[in-house]
Amino acid sequence: GAGVSQSPSNKVTEKGKDVELRCDPISGHTALYWYRQSLGQGLEFLIYFQGNSAPDKSGLPSDRFSAERTGGSVSTLTIQRTQQEDSAVYLCASSLAAAGNTIYFGEGSWLTVV
Amino acid sequence: GNSVTQMEGPVTLSEEAFLTINCTYTATGYPSLFWYVQYPGEGLQLLLKATKADDKGSNKGFEATYRKETTSFHLEKGSVQVSDSAVYFCALNTGTASKLTFGTGTRLQVTL
Repeated sequence: GAGVSQSPSNKVTEKGKDVELRCDPISGHTALYWYRQSLGQGLEFLIYFQGNSAPDKSGLPSDRFSAERTGGSVSTLTIQRTQQEDSAVYLCASSLAAAGNTIYFGEGSWLTVV
Repeated sequence: GNSVTQMEGPVTLSEEAFLTINCTYTATGYPSLFWYVQYPGEGLQLLLKATKADDKGSNKGFEATYRKETTSFHLEKGSVQVSDSAVYFCALNTGTASKLTFGTGTRLQVTL
């Protein structure tokens, strides 16, 4: 597709279960980002992939969060043993490399932990 | 480290009023500056950007000028419309790392 695609768009899960969120970036974009937007909060950076470099994981809030990017394209964000405070919209974005390039966001995956 | 500070919202204006949303930043190096907009029920969209000092970004009647001396990138529009109601985020990135640092967002509500 033309834009960043995320799935699922909505996910309700029980506390303690694991969830996987998928992101399909714009074709040709080497940089991929995950952000979290909690109710009433700003946008929180989680993790950043750039080409074949080691990912910048500095924003992951705990070791329950992990992400991988296979083949330099699709990425999966995994949250293990979900907690209620993990409820948020998880946004994926992609761009060409280097600062100044426009970063394009997907519509997000809305996660609700009950 | 990098940070972005935006004015607190919500901002409520009547249609055709003048809009200013303040944004100041702290950054290492020479940042690129962005305004993103999130309309109700939609994803984040780039509104405008500026990549060096004194550049003016503009789109859809919105403007923002990169002021290095005041480390600011205030968003302005001369005459807002109801359809401009949204949350506006100021953001920056620096150097070779293109990840964005966002402000907390400012909600704009425009009424008839």
